[in-house]
Amino acid sequence: GESVGLHLPTLSVQEGDNSIINCAYSNSASDYFIWYKQESGKGPQFIIDIRSNMDKRQGQRVTVLLNKTVKHLSLQIAATQPGDSAVYFCAENSGGGADGLTFGKGTHLIIQP
Amino acid sequence: ETGVTQTPRHLVMGMTNKKSLKCEQHLGHNAMYWYKQSAKKPLELMFVYSLEERVENNSVPSRFSPECPNSSHLFLHLHTLQPEDSALYLCASSQVADYSYEQYFGPGTRLTVT
Repeated sequence: GESVGLHLPTLSVQEGDNSIINCAYSNSASDYFIWYKQESGKGPQFIIDIRSNMDKRQGQRVTVLLNKTVKHLSLQIAATQPGDSAVYFCAENSGGGADGLTFGKGTHLIIQP
Repeated sequence: ETGVTQTPRHLVMGMTNKKSLKCEQHLGHNAMYWYKQSAKKPLELMFVYSLEERVENNSVPSRFSPECPNSSHLFLHLHTLQPEDSALYLCASSQVADYSYEQYFGPGTRLTVT
């Protein structure tokens, strides 16, 4: 079936550098995408979302880019900090209403001092 | 905190036991969800309740039985589980509305089946 996936299971970056986490999706009907961060021992926490009628959205130190042509989603984290260490998931909602989200496998972001 | 609480946080049960997981949301949302998170696998949607009615059941085995007595509470009743059911069980809630799909997650219940 169609699914959301990520390119890398682990990403290691130097503290202070920018991080880019990628996600590929296959459901062209998806109209909403969301990034979650999950720290050890906690549930997923919302970071940022984007609708399909946009190609870029910025938050505090984070930017989400959406390329519908190649069905690609990315999360950019500026000036990565130790507190950014976590597993990052992209997810999509293509059904509308109270449908659950379809998640990718996650990328573990490791911050090197 | 996200406004979604789950109890217990950790549970160890035998294959013949019966137990229940509890979720409570304090956000005034009208939809609640159960997800299963296994190691190295994506989160799997198990059940969706919208306005206290179940709207989705993704082929979950009958040994998992959800209950949603009101919009703030969600239970997952467990019986005769298998070792492969060991996982983190996450509850989430959302306010169903146009263009609003953000879900708020609880901390999860770490379940170990022995």
